[in-house]
Amino acid sequence: EPEVTQTPSHQVTQMGQEVILRCVPISNHLYFYWYRQILGQKVEFLVSFYNNEISEKSEIFDDQFSVERPDGSNFTLKIRSTKLEDSAMYFCASSRDNYYGYTFGSGTRLTVV
Amino acid sequence: QKEVEQNSGPLSVPEGAIASLNCTYSDRVSQSFFWYRQYSGKSPELIMSIYSNGDKEDGRFTAQLNKASQYVSLLIRDSQPSDSATYLCAVNDAGGTSYGKLTFGQGTILTVHP
Repeated sequence: EPEVTQTPSHQVTQMGQEVILRCVPISNHLYFYWYRQILGQKVEFLVSFYNNEISEKSEIFDDQFSVERPDGSNFTLKIRSTKLEDSAMYFCASSRDNYYGYTFGSGTRLTVV
Repeated sequence: QKEVEQNSGPLSVPEGAIASLNCTYSDRVSQSFFWYRQYSGKSPELIMSIYSNGDKEDGRFTAQLNKASQYVSLLIRDSQPSDSATYLCAVNDAGGTSYGKLTFGQGTILTVHP
């Protein structure tokens, strides 16, 4: 069964450093998403991406965050200057359309120290 | 602010029993509804989707939707210890201005004991 692949599985970074989280969505999917989950809290929407541009973003997704689809397969989330409160699991997801449920990747655990 | 509410539990049921999980949502324009299962430290896994009022069955799982009451539920029949996980209710308001954004509830922890 096709799956969404995320790398790395765990990243530790120092406060203020830039991190790039990588995702390879399912190949025929058109909608791409990033979510995060702080330990013990809800899964929260960050951003959706369609037709090579951001289609929707949450209040969390401020100027520190950016997304890119640099080629036909990868989808990246960049955090420019990490803060302690950015420590969370970050999940990438993709979907064929914006109505049906989508598939999540296995996640990247980001720890900011 | 769109809200999705779930009883956080924990809900404990014996093996073989029916587990009943409930969810309410605040936005009347919500179009599609999902149940995800999340094991500790893992990503959410889609187990059920429902789009119209009534029941939808898939194996041991039944999802129920009542749009008038803004209520979604999930029944798990013949519960197994492997069903022990956190169950996340998620709502999609695609069809409005959304591009498929999901709003999640806080999840209900289910424990099935032998």
